[in-house]
Amino acid sequence: NAGVTQTPKFQVLKTGQSMTLQCAQDMNHNSMYWYRQDPGMGLRLIYYSASEGTTDKGEVPNGYNVSRLNKREFSLRLESAAPSQTSVYFCAIEPGPTNNEQFFGPGTRLTVL
Amino acid sequence: TQLLEQSPQFLSIQEGENLTVYCNSSSVFSSLQWYRQEPGEGPVLLVTVVTGGEVKKLKRLTFQFGDARKDSSLHITAAQPGDTGLYLCAGLDNYGQNFVFGPGTRLSVLP
Repeated sequence: NAGVTQTPKFQVLKTGQSMTLQCAQDMNHNSMYWYRQDPGMGLRLIYYSASEGTTDKGEVPNGYNVSRLNKREFSLRLESAAPSQTSVYFCAIEPGPTNNEQFFGPGTRLTVL
Repeated sequence: TQLLEQSPQFLSIQEGENLTVYCNSSSVFSSLQWYRQEPGEGPVLLVTVVTGGEVKKLKRLTFQFGDARKDSSLHITAAQPGDTGLYLCAGLDNYGQNFVFGPGTRLSVLP
C-alpha cells in the first residue's frame, strides 16, 4: 500500500462514542486525503490536506474533523458517531500537483451500532 | 458537481473471455485513472490517461481515454481469475484539486 498505514483496521462503536482514525505515510508527500467507501457509491472525499497545517472540506465532511499536525500524519475524528458513519475509511496520499494519481492505505472498517 | 458512472455494475465471466467496462461522464476531466481493489484492501492504481484519445496497454489490459476526455474504457483480453476485483475509475476535477470516483464495476472471473 505504497507506504501508507492506517490504524485501527477494524472498530466497532456505539452511537455517540468518539474515536480517531490514524493515517501515516513514509513517502514525504504533501497531499493527504480521507475517503469513505460505501456499497454502490464508490469513494467519497471527506477531507483533504494539501500541506502540513492546512485542511479543506471534501464532498461529505459533516460529522468529521481532521488534523494535519505534521507532514507525516493525517487523522480523522468522529466526535459523536452515528450509524450512518458505518463505512470503510481510506486514507490516500498524492505525490504532487503534477502526478495525477493516489496511493491508498489498507482501510479501516468501522461499524457504528 | 462532476460525476462518473460505470457500467456494468457487475460482471461475471469465464476464464479466457474478453470484456470491456466503461466509465462515463457529462463533464470533462483533465485526467482519468483506473484502479483495482481487492476485498479488504485499498485501491491500487493501474493507469493514468491524460490526453484525449490516448490508449495505454498494461499486459492484457487496454485503457482508452475518449477524445473529448469525458469517458474511458478498460478492455481485458483473455481474462484470468486473478483479474477478479472491483475496478474503479477516477477523474481529476477541472480545478486539478480533487479526484471524483465512479461507483465501480465488480468483476468475477470464474476458472
